[in-house]
Amino acid sequence: AQRVTQPEKLLSVFKGAPVELKCNYSYSGSPELFWYVQYSRQRLQLLLRHISRESIKGFTADLNKGETSFHLKKPFAQEEDSAMYYCAPDRNNAGNMLTFGGGTRLMVKP
Amino acid sequence: EAGVAQSPRYKIIEKRQSVAFWCNPISGHATLYWYQQILGQGPKLLIQFQNNGVVDDSQLPKDRFSAERLKGVDSTLKIQPAKLEDSAVYLCASSPGTSGGEGQYFGPGTRLLVL
Repeated sequence: AQRVTQPEKLLSVFKGAPVELKCNYSYSGSPELFWYVQYSRQRLQLLLRHISRESIKGFTADLNKGETSFHLKKPFAQEEDSAMYYCAPDRNNAGNMLTFGGGTRLMVKP
Repeated sequence: EAGVAQSPRYKIIEKRQSVAFWCNPISGHATLYWYQQILGQGPKLLIQFQNNGVVDDSQLPKDRFSAERLKGVDSTLKIQPAKLEDSAVYLCASSPGTSGGEGQYFGPGTRLLVL
């Protein structure tokens, strides 16, 4: 069965500390991978996708096919990074059949 | 550009009643999605439309849920009859093309409480 796991429900760090939000997936083939973010009182929105290899708001995500992981990282957390983060593999590699993980709430303390 | 619009924003009903949600996607977006997000969980795809055709409804409880996208623009999602476990936020999203590689754009959601 296809599954995506975000093992931490809550991650709390101090401003300036490194952040790593974990995502593990269990999929056949090589799915395309996305991270979505929801800031307080805002809509769910795309943060980044693996295929673009870009860094958004200082975040990057490393795909490890051997470990089937797609962890989201940022070297220095900012208070404005506090939000819910969802990992979302795509079942058909076209970005339109997403399976969302349970989400991790990131709290960045001053 | 205007974002995805949803109404109502909140709805409280009693079990066994029916309810309908409306979504207006971003103009020109071919693909429309309905998700159910239960408290503490990530969104779960219920149904995906491409223009006015259904692409995937494998996770839609068809005995009580129905959805349509007439004319390939607006969409409605209906629950009849509602159960307690249907309490959730119902999210609508749209994407520009037939793939969602550009990202899906989400609406604000409709929060449903079934008593």
